[in-house]
Amino acid sequence: KQEVTQIPAALSVPEGENLVLNCSFTDSAIYNLQWFRQDPGKGLTSLLLIQSSQREQTSGRLNASLDKSSGRSTLYIAASQPGDSATYLCAVRGDAGGTSYGKLTFGQGTILTVHP
Amino acid sequence: DAGVIQSPRHEVTEMGQEVTLRCKPISGHDYLFWYRQTMMRGLELLIYFNNNVPIDDSGMPEDRFSAKMPNASFSTLKIQPSEPRDSAVYFCASSSRRNAEAFFGQGTRLTVV
Repeated sequence: KQEVTQIPAALSVPEGENLVLNCSFTDSAIYNLQWFRQDPGKGLTSLLLIQSSQREQTSGRLNASLDKSSGRSTLYIAASQPGDSATYLCAVRGDAGGTSYGKLTFGQGTILTVHP
Repeated sequence: DAGVIQSPRHEVTEMGQEVTLRCKPISGHDYLFWYRQTMMRGLELLIYFNNNVPIDDSGMPEDRFSAKMPNASFSTLKIQPSEPRDSAVYFCASSSRRNAEAFFGQGTRLTVV
């Protein structure tokens, strides 16, 4: 059974800092990995999608990397802003031959607070 | 496309009543997922469909929960009878086979009193 862990559980930083959120998964048979953002009381917004054959994806101030063989991904946020405050969730899609084929399994999330 | 559409957005019901949550996936998507989110347990996958066929329902907590997908543009999650511990936010998501990026609806906040 695929398990996804996110570290840290919570993070508070001053505005302008560069920061890294970590995600690890136990079964490397994944089809892709997706990072989401969730604001309080809202749904999930897709930030970045990395296919299993890719190493990284970038969107604006966000950069996500994937090391499939070691079961790790990082989300790098450059020059953080108060508007970045939210919960960030990592999810992996299981591939054929793995324990969770087709499933989208989530970590518990990292609660990020960026203060002015 | 309007994205994944869920209804109702909020539902308050009494214990023992039947509750039906609805989801319209993005047109052309062939995967549909139902999740439940609580503070204690985070996001839990309840069931997912591929081409309208349930593939894995191992996350459905008990027989009180059932889900259907009668066609490619509609799915329901039913709880009968509802209990206070079912109170949570229920999300529906869909994705295409091609790149498998998942998109979520805004969720249904269910309160069972």
